[in-house]
Amino acid sequence: KAGVTQTPRYLIKTRGQQVTLSCSPISGHRSVSWYQQTPGQGLQFLFEYFSETQRNKGNFPGRFSGRQFSNSRSEMNVSTLELGDSALYLCASSSGQGSGSYNEQFFGPGTRLTVL
Amino acid sequence: AQKVTQAQTEISVVEKEDVTLDCVYETRDTTYYLFWYKQPPSGELVFLIRRNSFDEQNEISGRYSWNFQKSTSSFNFTITASQVVDSAVYFCALSGTYKYIFGTGTRLKVLA
Repeated sequence: KAGVTQTPRYLIKTRGQQVTLSCSPISGHRSVSWYQQTPGQGLQFLFEYFSETQRNKGNFPGRFSGRQFSNSRSEMNVSTLELGDSALYLCASSSGQGSGSYNEQFFGPGTRLTVL
Repeated sequence: AQKVTQAQTEISVVEKEDVTLDCVYETRDTTYYLFWYKQPPSGELVFLIRRNSFDEQNEISGRYSWNFQKSTSSFNFTITASQVVDSAVYFCALSGTYKYIFGTGTRLKVLA
């Protein structure tokens, strides 16, 4: 089985712009979660989607949004980028019913976003 | 509130030494899961183990072992006879009713 894929791998944007990141989960996985990883804050949960519905959301401003498509692929969008949004954005998929919280997560390689 | 604490920010050991990575958690859930993940220099997190709150049996997998103690809310990870390839950041995570909570990670450096 192919693993979790994320595109693009690297992105450079300037303040005020917006960005869309894409994630394709492992085939058959319906839960997709997004995380922001920074040296100072570690891994912080952004949101989780299951069957096109947002199940859980972390403590991030409304500039961060996401969606999931019927094929379980997911996108996250960050609008009005700030310097502090520079981070590695990780996507993870998991199997099982309902929330993926109880299952192990399989992570993609991440998208490294740099905001100048 | 849920919380995971990995007090060890960075550990350096010499190859073949044993090393224990500590993880302490807080949760009010009665049913929860604990996880360990490894993030090698390449960046991709890799799942190592999952343990549910009702199973306090220790687990051994090759050079890896895990000690889960509900009485102290700890889920520690020991690497026996460490190798250079074990160098990575290790994350402990907790999940309950809702989302995953990750610890801040412990960077392990194994020196040849």
